[in-house]
Amino acid sequence: AQSVTQLDSQVPVFEEAPVELRCNYSSSVSVYLFWYVQYPNQGLQLLLKYLSGSTLVKGINGFEAEFNKSQTSFHLRKPSVHISDTAEYFCAVSGRGGSEKLVFGKGTKLTVNP
Amino acid sequence: DADVTQTPRNRITKTGKRIMLECSQTKGHDRMYWYRQDPGLGLRLIYYSFDVKDINKGEISDGYSVSRQAQAKFSLSLESAIPNQTALYFCATSEAGTSGRPTLYEQYFGPGTRLTVT
Repeated sequence: AQSVTQLDSQVPVFEEAPVELRCNYSSSVSVYLFWYVQYPNQGLQLLLKYLSGSTLVKGINGFEAEFNKSQTSFHLRKPSVHISDTAEYFCAVSGRGGSEKLVFGKGTKLTVNP
Repeated sequence: DADVTQTPRNRITKTGKRIMLECSQTKGHDRMYWYRQDPGLGLRLIYYSFDVKDINKGEISDGYSVSRQAQAKFSLSLESAIPNQTALYFCATSEAGTSGRPTLYEQYFGPGTRLTVT
């Protein structure tokens, strides 16, 4: 079974500042990793994913994440945030079997202040 | 038009009432899921279905039931609603496949149904 820990429940930052949202996972098997974003009053949409290959993955809206197998982490970063990035961000993990399900973290609420 | 739709979008009901939440998708995916979201708890899986004849319990299925009427439709029922079932409910879909097709793990979410049980 897999589990996900998002280390910060809330992250306030100022506009144009860099941000890192932290995610650690636990799994006894190899995994796929995802970040989803939920804007206010909307459903979740995929921000980026790590399936294989390069450990640095780039997503939409200028976000990127780095898979670190030794530290079992998949932290999300953006060098300069905008007000419009205010949202809740969810890290999720799935095992690599054929019938694995997604396990979500509890979410990190990012608030970008002017 | 949205690929995954949920009805109703908002519902207020009383304790003890039966309620059904519906989900439809036009993505042609075989797999469908129901989650609930509570503040500070993230998303928790209620039920999932890998095809029309396959229904499985998730981590919090007690008090809920589901019906997969067709590939495109997956309904969630609360047989006798209680206040702690007040939450935001999401339906999601994904492709079927094997571990050789990792895109199947990408899930597509509906806009959610906000349910309040008084």
